[in-house]
Amino acid sequence: SQQGEEDPQALSIQEGENATMNCSYKTSINNLQWYRQNSGRGLVHLILIRSNEREKHSGRLRVTLDTSKKSSSLLITASRAADTASYFCATDAGGTSYGKLTFGQGTILTVHP
Amino acid sequence: DGGITQSPKYLFRKEGQNVTLSCEQNLNHDAMYWYRQDPGQGLRLIYYSQIVNDFQKGDIAEGYSVSREKKESFPLTVTSAQKNPTAFYLCASGTGYTDTQYFGPGTRLTVL
Repeated sequence: SQQGEEDPQALSIQEGENATMNCSYKTSINNLQWYRQNSGRGLVHLILIRSNEREKHSGRLRVTLDTSKKSSSLLITASRAADTASYFCATDAGGTSYGKLTFGQGTILTVHP
Repeated sequence: DGGITQSPKYLFRKEGQNVTLSCEQNLNHDAMYWYRQDPGQGLRLIYYSQIVNDFQKGDIAEGYSVSREKKESFPLTVTSAQKNPTAFYLCASGTGYTDTQYFGPGTRLTVL
């Protein structure tokens, strides 16, 4: 089952603008991860935020997590054409689901030069 | 795509045939995973293995089989029982703990 739901499904912006993608989930989690996928390729891990963290940064990426609302957001600042890709959130419920990720349906980001 | 290889990149199969997709990793990871991705969709878990000689069904295991005889290898067989096998198949590995997964480049399977 797809735990994560992402919003928007597609996002089109100009280079230099910021891009924000949102992810909502249904059950409690141990951590939430964001991955990137270029067309026809495998996924690349971007950032992991644990359930006891509220915000995390990595370069131009900023991730927030609100466990009370069961939601997360990924912000890409000063976007570049090379950021064009699909972005997926994935949740790890922990417990007996140890190491098992459930992916959202993704946001397709297009950055125009 | 790190230390995970998948082969072949493209695979064509006739209806009624079984086909095996290869996945090898040299990251010394205990856990390995198989996902299926359909156009415009997220990933759905087919099977996963957290240790050699052991594996568990994921959310969509029907029509698929796996083996885990070696730590570095986790082949996936798409059987004729899988009703709609045309998809993009991704293999991943990880430590098996709550941590990131590392993905291979994928195999695109088309049933003719």
